[in-house]
Amino acid sequence: TAGITQAPTSQILAAGRSMTLRCTQDMRHNAMYWYRQDLGLGLRLIHYSNTAGTTGKGEVPDGYSVSRANTDDFPLTLASAVPSQTSVYFCASTPSSGATDTQYFGPGTRLTVL
Amino acid sequence: GQNIDQPTEMTATEGAIVQINCTYQTSGFNGLFWYQQHAGEAPTFLSYNVLDGLEEKGRFSSFLSRSKGYSYLLLKELQMKDSASYLCAVRDGDYKLSFGAGTTVTVRA
Repeated sequence: TAGITQAPTSQILAAGRSMTLRCTQDMRHNAMYWYRQDLGLGLRLIHYSNTAGTTGKGEVPDGYSVSRANTDDFPLTLASAVPSQTSVYFCASTPSSGATDTQYFGPGTRLTVL
Repeated sequence: GQNIDQPTEMTATEGAIVQINCTYQTSGFNGLFWYQQHAGEAPTFLSYNVLDGLEEKGRFSSFLSRSKGYSYLLLKELQMKDSASYLCAVRDGDYKLSFGAGTTVTVRA
């Protein structure tokens, strides 16, 4: 069972370059999320999607964009990377956006912006 | 914004019990989650509380008091493999999940 996959596993990116982090789930979950995790700050929500075709902003959306063309894929794009975007990025999904649904996390992408 | 506090680090001996406290102030409440995260890995679900009281699941138990904005995760019969970060997360009134910074537990032989 694949669950949630993310690519790449890690990446070093020059400042000013663009990059898309990929996230795919095979559980037919409706809701998907992107978080960044920084030491001492915990996981912070960047963007989310409650269902295919819809997206919303989280706590730290600036500098990031997302799309949700279908149920399975939820790519995160950095249009012009800056060093402060150095972080570990986790994609997550839940069956729906309801209260009791547990979030399942992908393995993460470690991004370094120089 | 949401405010979720938990201790940064805790150390305990193998076979002992450790209690990780979490206090929260959020805009609405729709449940509290605990996740375990080993170094370099993704968080994995441990427990969920939405009503006051204790939820027991094997060696792990989680308690919630909504009136006090307080939860704890109790780890019993500690094993070396329990060395990890433990994340407290609250689902707010908009059904968004906000995380605490995590508590790193080190289990010593």
